[in-house]
Amino acid sequence: NAGVMQNPRHLVRRRGQEARLRCSPMKGHSHVYWYRQLPEEGLKFMVYLQKENIIDESGMPKERFSAEFPKEGPSILRIQQVVRGDSAAYFCASSPPRGQGAVGELFFGEGSRLTVL
Amino acid sequence: KQEVTQIPAALSVPEGENLVLNCSFTDSAIYNLQWFRQDPGKGLTSLLLIQSSQREQTSGRLNASLDKSSGRSTLYIAASQPGDSATYLCAVSRDSSASKIIFGSGTRLSIRP
Repeated sequence: NAGVMQNPRHLVRRRGQEARLRCSPMKGHSHVYWYRQLPEEGLKFMVYLQKENIIDESGMPKERFSAEFPKEGPSILRIQQVVRGDSAAYFCASSPPRGQGAVGELFFGEGSRLTVL
Repeated sequence: KQEVTQIPAALSVPEGENLVLNCSFTDSAIYNLQWFRQDPGKGLTSLLLIQSSQREQTSGRLNASLDKSSGRSTLYIAASQPGDSATYLCAVSRDSSASKIIFGSGTRLSIRP
């Protein structure tokens, strides 16, 4: 049973370009969360999605950032017109549906590290 | 607003010692608390999850305790090994959906051989 898969693991972009980060949750998991970790800081919640729905995007910047979790395929975090301050590690986590597994337990991917030149 | 604090930020101990990592949170209305391990350049691995109704959880050489009323949790590591070197993160959740998990900034642990 594969864990949470994120790609790319490393991404380099120049200022103004777009970054697309992908996350495939664990098999059977229907909830996906995105977090951002700046150097020497803790993880900050960005967005929580279920299939085809954004449940909570209160942690995501209002501009340039968007997320989706389509019916088929991985969840995607999209950053448009990247700036140097977007350089960070972006982690995806998934959790099982209610009634399965330990409630509220998260399983993390290994992260996508974005560097903006 | 929930705040999670982990002190110290870094800790170095010789191999074989027992040690305790601390986590404190400001709002005692939590649903659960998790301890994670993060190796450099890697993702997070869940170590222990304590539901709000529980007082402690154990896994191998690890024991995590929870005192909701005082807003504290400790992670006890017995007979430390160099392979335990990593950053340990504490995270609290206010509801069952885990949508608002708040992380501490971690304790960077180094075990000296």
